[in-house]
Amino acid sequence: AQSVTQLDSQVPVFEEAPVELRCNYSSSVSVYLFWYVQYPNQGLQLLLKYLSGSTLVKGINGFEAEFNKSQTSFHLRKPSVHISDTAEYFCAVSDRGNQFYFGTGTSLTVIP
Amino acid sequence: ETGVTQTPRHLVMGMTNKKSLKCEQHLGHNAMYWYKQSAKKPLELMFVYNFKEQTENNSVPSRFSPECPNSSHLFLHLHTLQPEDSALYLCASSQDPGSGGAGTQYFGPGTRLTVL
Repeated sequence: AQSVTQLDSQVPVFEEAPVELRCNYSSSVSVYLFWYVQYPNQGLQLLLKYLSGSTLVKGINGFEAEFNKSQTSFHLRKPSVHISDTAEYFCAVSDRGNQFYFGTGTSLTVIP
Repeated sequence: ETGVTQTPRHLVMGMTNKKSLKCEQHLGHNAMYWYKQSAKKPLELMFVYNFKEQTENNSVPSRFSPECPNSSHLFLHLHTLQPEDSALYLCASSQDPGSGGAGTQYFGPGTRLTVL
């Protein structure tokens, strides 16, 4: 079975500063990797995904993530955050079937 | 209307009530999911339907009863719930990986359920 660990439950960062949200997974099989964002009172919105190919994946809103197979990590980064990036971020792993495994989420707070 | 919609957005019910949550997807997907989201916990997958057939039931209590009449609609029937069932219930859909899709899930806005 797969599991996902998001190491930081809360990340405060000043506006226009860079941010990295960490995600590690455990799996014995090839996986797909995802980052989702959840704004207050809304469902989850797909930010980006890694299926195959280039290990650096670019998503919406200026976010990117890098798949590191040897470290089983898929950290999310943004070079300069905005107030509107304040939200909950979830890392997820799929076993390439219908099963998705989500982390507990990281709450990003952007400080003016 | 596009994407995945859920109704109602908010629901308050007593422990003896019977209610239903509705989910509709307009993406042409053939797999649909129910998740429970509680504070400070990972999303809990409850049910999975592929081509209207239930393929996963992750030890969900029988007071939750799913129904999938077609690939576009998914219901969650609720009866004799407990206060600990209060949570955000999220519906998602995807193209079934076995039919060539990558399985990316698209979520609805959720139903905020409060059980008194």
